[in-house]
Amino acid sequence: DGGITQSPKYLFRKEGQNVTLSCEQNLNHDAMYWYRQDPGQGLRLIYYSQIVNDFQKGDIAEGYSVSREKKESFPLTVTSAQKNPTAFYLCASSDNSGANVLTFGAGSRLTVL
Amino acid sequence: GQNIDQPTEMTATEGAIVQINCTYQTSGFNGLFWYQQHAGEAPTFLSYNVLDGLEEKGRFSSFLSRSKGYSYLLLKELQMKDSASYLCAVKDSNYQLIWGAGTKLIIKP
Repeated sequence: DGGITQSPKYLFRKEGQNVTLSCEQNLNHDAMYWYRQDPGQGLRLIYYSQIVNDFQKGDIAEGYSVSREKKESFPLTVTSAQKNPTAFYLCASSDNSGANVLTFGAGSRLTVL
Repeated sequence: GQNIDQPTEMTATEGAIVQINCTYQTSGFNGLFWYQQHAGEAPTFLSYNVLDGLEEKGRFSSFLSRSKGYSYLLLKELQMKDSASYLCAVKDSNYQLIWGAGTKLIIKP
Protein backbone atom coordinates (compact mmCIF):
# COMPACT_ATOMS: atom_id res chain seq x y z
CA ASP A 1 0.00 0.00 0.00
CA GLY A 2 1.17 3.52 -0.77
CA GLY A 3 1.88 5.90 2.04
CA ILE A 4 4.33 8.01 3.97
CA THR A 5 6.74 6.57 6.49
CA GLN A 6 8.30 8.70 9.18
CA SER A 7 11.04 7.53 11.51
CA PRO A 8 11.78 7.43 14.31
CA LYS A 9 8.39 7.73 15.99
CA TYR A 10 9.97 8.86 19.26
CA LEU A 11 13.34 10.59 19.63
CA PHE A 12 15.17 12.05 22.59
CA ARG A 13 17.95 14.54 22.14
CA LYS A 14 20.34 16.37 24.38
CA GLU A 15 20.66 20.11 24.01
CA GLY A 16 23.29 21.05 21.45
CA GLN A 17 22.78 17.98 19.28
CA ASN A 18 21.46 17.92 15.74
CA VAL A 19 18.92 15.25 14.85
CA THR A 20 17.51 14.14 11.51
CA LEU A 21 13.93 12.95 11.01
CA SER A 22 13.29 10.68 8.07
CA CYS A 23 10.32 10.95 5.70
CA GLU A 24 9.82 8.57 2.79
CA GLN A 25 6.81 8.34 0.45
CA ASN A 26 5.87 5.85 -2.26
CA LEU A 27 2.87 7.76 -3.55
CA ASN A 28 4.78 9.28 -6.45
CA HIS A 29 3.84 12.73 -5.14
CA ASP A 30 5.83 15.73 -6.34
CA ALA A 31 5.31 17.96 -3.30
CA MET A 32 6.43 17.25 0.26
CA TYR A 33 6.05 19.25 3.45
CA TRP A 34 7.24 19.39 7.05
CA TYR A 35 4.93 20.71 9.74
CA ARG A 36 5.37 21.22 13.44
CA GLN A 37 2.43 20.62 15.81
CA ASP A 38 2.35 22.09 19.32
CA PRO A 39 -0.51 21.84 21.83
CA GLY A 40 -3.16 24.51 21.35
CA GLN A 41 -1.76 25.69 18.03
CA GLY A 42 -2.45 24.99 14.40
CA LEU A 43 0.04 23.16 12.24
CA ARG A 44 2.96 25.40 11.28
CA LEU A 45 4.88 24.93 8.06
CA ILE A 46 8.64 24.49 8.42
CA TYR A 47 9.79 23.72 4.86
CA TYR A 48 8.23 22.48 1.66
CA SER A 49 9.43 21.14 -1.65
CA GLN A 50 7.46 21.18 -4.91
CA ILE A 51 10.05 19.28 -6.91
CA VAL A 52 13.31 17.36 -6.53
CA ASN A 53 16.38 19.49 -5.73
CA ASP A 54 14.25 22.49 -4.78
CA PHE A 55 12.70 23.56 -1.48
CA GLN A 56 11.38 26.71 0.17
CA LYS A 57 11.21 28.00 3.72
CA GLY A 58 7.89 27.96 5.48
CA ASP A 59 6.76 30.14 8.34
CA ILE A 60 9.15 28.77 10.99
CA ALA A 61 12.27 27.58 9.11
CA GLU A 62 14.85 29.01 11.53
CA GLY A 63 16.88 26.25 13.18
CA TYR A 64 15.82 23.62 10.64
CA SER A 65 17.28 22.33 7.39
CA VAL A 66 16.06 19.95 4.66
CA SER A 67 17.19 18.29 1.47
CA ARG A 68 15.29 16.84 -1.50
CA GLU A 69 17.75 14.72 -3.45
CA LYS A 70 15.17 12.08 -4.37
CA LYS A 71 11.46 12.37 -5.10
CA GLU A 72 10.67 9.83 -2.42
CA SER A 73 12.65 11.36 0.43
CA PHE A 74 12.50 14.66 2.34
CA PRO A 75 14.54 14.45 5.58
CA LEU A 76 14.37 17.22 8.19
CA THR A 77 17.33 18.13 10.39
CA VAL A 78 16.59 19.88 13.66
CA THR A 79 19.74 21.79 14.48
CA SER A 80 21.05 23.02 17.81
CA ALA A 81 20.04 26.53 16.68
CA GLN A 82 16.36 25.65 17.10
CA LYS A 83 15.56 27.15 20.49
CA ASN A 84 12.47 25.12 21.34
CA PRO A 85 12.63 21.86 19.36
CA THR A 86 10.42 19.68 21.57
CA ALA A 87 7.34 19.05 19.42
CA PHE A 88 5.43 16.62 17.23
CA TYR A 89 6.71 16.74 13.63
CA LEU A 90 4.52 15.76 10.70
CA CYS A 91 5.64 15.07 7.16
CA ALA A 92 3.11 15.27 4.32
CA SER A 93 2.95 14.95 0.56
CA SER A 94 0.55 15.93 -2.21
CA ASP A 95 0.26 15.42 -5.94
CA ASN A 96 -0.26 19.11 -6.77
CA SER A 97 -3.50 18.41 -8.64
CA GLY A 98 -7.07 19.49 -7.97
CA ALA A 99 -7.67 20.16 -4.30
CA ASN A 100 -4.07 19.29 -3.46
CA VAL A 101 -5.07 17.08 -0.54
CA LEU A 102 -2.27 16.31 1.89
CA THR A 103 -1.38 12.79 2.95
CA PHE A 104 0.41 12.74 6.29
CA GLY A 105 2.91 10.41 7.89
CA ALA A 106 2.33 9.12 11.43
CA GLY A 107 4.60 11.76 12.93
CA SER A 108 7.80 11.91 14.96
CA ARG A 109 7.80 13.13 18.55
CA LEU A 110 11.06 14.85 19.49
CA THR A 111 11.90 15.56 23.11
CA VAL A 112 14.92 17.58 24.11
CA LEU A 113 16.29 16.63 27.50
CA GLY B 1 -3.27 38.81 10.08
CA GLN B 2 -4.74 35.50 9.06
CA ASN B 3 -6.82 33.61 11.56
CA ILE B 4 -8.79 30.38 11.85
CA ASP B 5 -11.07 29.94 14.89
CA GLN B 6 -12.48 26.67 16.15
CA PRO B 7 -13.81 25.67 19.57
CA THR B 8 -11.09 24.04 21.65
CA GLU B 9 -13.16 21.12 22.89
CA MET B 10 -16.66 19.68 22.48
CA THR B 11 -18.48 16.78 24.11
CA ALA B 12 -21.27 14.72 22.56
CA THR B 13 -23.13 11.48 23.17
CA GLU B 14 -22.79 8.29 21.17
CA GLY B 15 -25.48 8.11 18.50
CA ALA B 16 -26.13 11.86 18.52
CA ILE B 17 -25.25 14.63 16.05
CA VAL B 18 -22.54 17.27 16.57
CA GLN B 19 -21.62 20.38 14.59
CA ILE B 20 -18.06 21.74 14.73
CA ASN B 21 -17.75 25.32 13.56
CA CYS B 22 -14.83 27.04 11.89
CA THR B 23 -14.58 30.76 11.12
CA TYR B 24 -11.76 32.21 9.09
CA GLN B 25 -10.19 35.52 8.16
CA THR B 26 -7.60 35.04 5.44
CA SER B 27 -6.05 36.95 2.59
CA GLY B 28 -8.03 35.34 -0.19
CA PHE B 29 -9.70 31.96 -0.32
CA ASN B 30 -8.93 28.92 -2.44
CA GLY B 31 -10.65 26.17 -0.52
CA LEU B 32 -11.33 24.85 2.97
CA PHE B 33 -10.33 21.45 4.31
CA TRP B 34 -11.35 19.33 7.27
CA TYR B 35 -9.00 16.67 8.66
CA GLN B 36 -9.47 14.18 11.48
CA GLN B 37 -6.59 13.43 13.84
CA HIS B 38 -6.63 10.74 16.50
CA ALA B 39 -4.26 11.40 19.40
CA GLY B 40 -0.63 10.83 18.43
CA GLU B 41 -1.53 9.86 14.87
CA ALA B 42 -1.50 11.39 11.42
CA PRO B 43 -4.27 13.74 10.30
CA THR B 44 -6.49 12.15 7.66
CA PHE B 45 -8.50 14.02 5.03
CA LEU B 46 -12.25 14.29 5.54
CA SER B 47 -13.60 16.94 3.19
CA TYR B 48 -12.87 19.83 0.86
CA ASN B 49 -15.16 22.79 0.09
CA VAL B 50 -14.42 25.48 -2.46
CA LEU B 51 -17.98 26.54 -3.38
CA ASP B 52 -20.79 27.55 -1.03
CA GLY B 53 -23.08 24.81 0.17
CA LEU B 54 -23.15 21.42 1.76
CA GLU B 55 -20.98 18.44 0.81
CA GLU B 56 -22.20 15.14 2.18
CA LYS B 57 -20.02 12.07 2.58
CA GLY B 58 -21.63 9.29 4.56
CA ARG B 59 -22.03 10.24 8.22
CA PHE B 60 -19.94 13.38 7.70
CA SER B 61 -21.04 16.60 5.97
CA SER B 62 -19.23 19.89 5.53
CA PHE B 63 -20.78 23.29 4.85
CA LEU B 64 -19.21 26.48 3.52
CA SER B 65 -20.32 30.10 3.35
CA ARG B 66 -17.59 32.20 1.74
CA SER B 67 -19.43 35.49 2.33
CA LYS B 68 -19.53 34.78 6.07
CA GLY B 69 -16.07 33.21 6.31
CA TYR B 70 -17.69 30.22 7.94
CA SER B 71 -17.72 26.46 7.71
CA TYR B 72 -19.00 23.60 9.81
CA LEU B 73 -18.41 19.89 9.97
CA LEU B 74 -21.50 17.85 10.85
CA LEU B 75 -21.06 14.37 12.27
CA LYS B 76 -24.15 12.15 12.48
CA GLU B 77 -24.78 8.88 14.34
CA LEU B 78 -21.70 9.44 16.47
CA GLN B 79 -19.54 6.46 17.27
CA MET B 80 -16.89 6.12 19.97
CA LYS B 81 -14.22 5.96 17.25
CA ASP B 82 -15.17 9.53 16.25
CA SER B 83 -13.40 10.75 19.40
CA ALA B 84 -10.55 12.74 17.83
CA SER B 85 -9.41 16.24 17.00
CA TYR B 86 -10.89 17.89 13.93
CA LEU B 87 -8.68 20.35 12.08
CA CYS B 88 -9.97 23.14 9.83
CA ALA B 89 -7.57 24.58 7.24
CA VAL B 90 -8.00 27.29 4.60
CA LYS B 91 -5.94 27.76 1.47
CA ASP B 92 -5.20 31.47 1.04
CA SER B 93 -4.57 33.59 -2.06
CA ASN B 94 -0.98 32.26 -2.25
CA TYR B 95 -2.28 28.69 -2.05
CA GLN B 96 -0.71 28.32 1.39
CA LEU B 97 -2.64 26.39 4.04
CA ILE B 98 -3.60 28.23 7.23
CA TRP B 99 -4.52 25.82 10.04
CA GLY B 100 -6.84 26.17 12.98
CA ALA B 101 -5.74 24.79 16.35
CA GLY B 102 -8.25 21.96 16.10
CA THR B 103 -11.34 20.92 18.03
CA LYS B 104 -11.04 17.97 20.40
CA LEU B 105 -14.27 15.97 20.25
CA ILE B 106 -15.07 13.71 23.20
CA ILE B 107 -17.78 11.09 22.69
CA LYS B 108 -19.49 9.73 25.79
CA PRO B 109 -21.50 6.48 25.89
